[in-house]
Amino acid sequence: KQEVTQIPAALSVPEGENLVLNCSFTDSAIYNLQWFRQDPGKGLTSLLLIQSSQREQTSGRLNASLDKSSGRSTLYIAASQPGDSATYLCAVSGYSTLTFGKGTMLLVSP
Amino acid sequence: GAVVSQHPSWVICKSGTSVKIECRSLDFQATTMFWYRQFPKQSLMLMATSNEGSKATYEQGVEKDKFLINHASLTLSTLTVTSAHPEDSSFYICSASPPGGRGWVETQYFGPGTRLLVL
Repeated sequence: KQEVTQIPAALSVPEGENLVLNCSFTDSAIYNLQWFRQDPGKGLTSLLLIQSSQREQTSGRLNASLDKSSGRSTLYIAASQPGDSATYLCAVSGYSTLTFGKGTMLLVSP
Repeated sequence: GAVVSQHPSWVICKSGTSVKIECRSLDFQATTMFWYRQFPKQSLMLMATSNEGSKATYEQGVEKDKFLINHASLTLSTLTVTSAHPEDSSFYICSASPPGGRGWVETQYFGPGTRLLVL
């Protein structure tokens, strides 16, 4: 059974810092890995999706990497802003299922 | 882009009542819809997968008689929590996949979620 772990569980940084969120998974036989953002009491916003054959994806200030063999992914956020404050979820996929981590709660203070 | 809505966004009910949550794909047809549940500070957990016109497939540990899922059309799936109890209080999120997506994660579009509080 796939298990997804996200570290740290919570992170508080001042505005402007670069930061890294970590995700690890136990079964490397995945189709892809996706990073989501979830605001309090809200649904999910897809940020980046990395296919199993890819090493990284970039969108604006976000960069996600994938090392499938070691079962790890990182989400790098450059020049963090208060608007980045949210919970970031990592999810890995089998054919038609998603396994989510518990998320990293990020707080960026002005 | 593809939009999925859920209704209601919030519901508070008394213990023992049944609650129905709707999930709609607004601008595409969804052959497959997924229902997730998220407890505070926990992962989203898949409850069931439903395909239009057929019975839902429930994940292990999810009571199919308690969580009734109906995917009656290509744009609507409903989740009914029957005889709700306080332990059913949670955040319920649906997602929908269009035809041809084969359910792969990149074709799952998520709804905004429904928060259920059972008193």
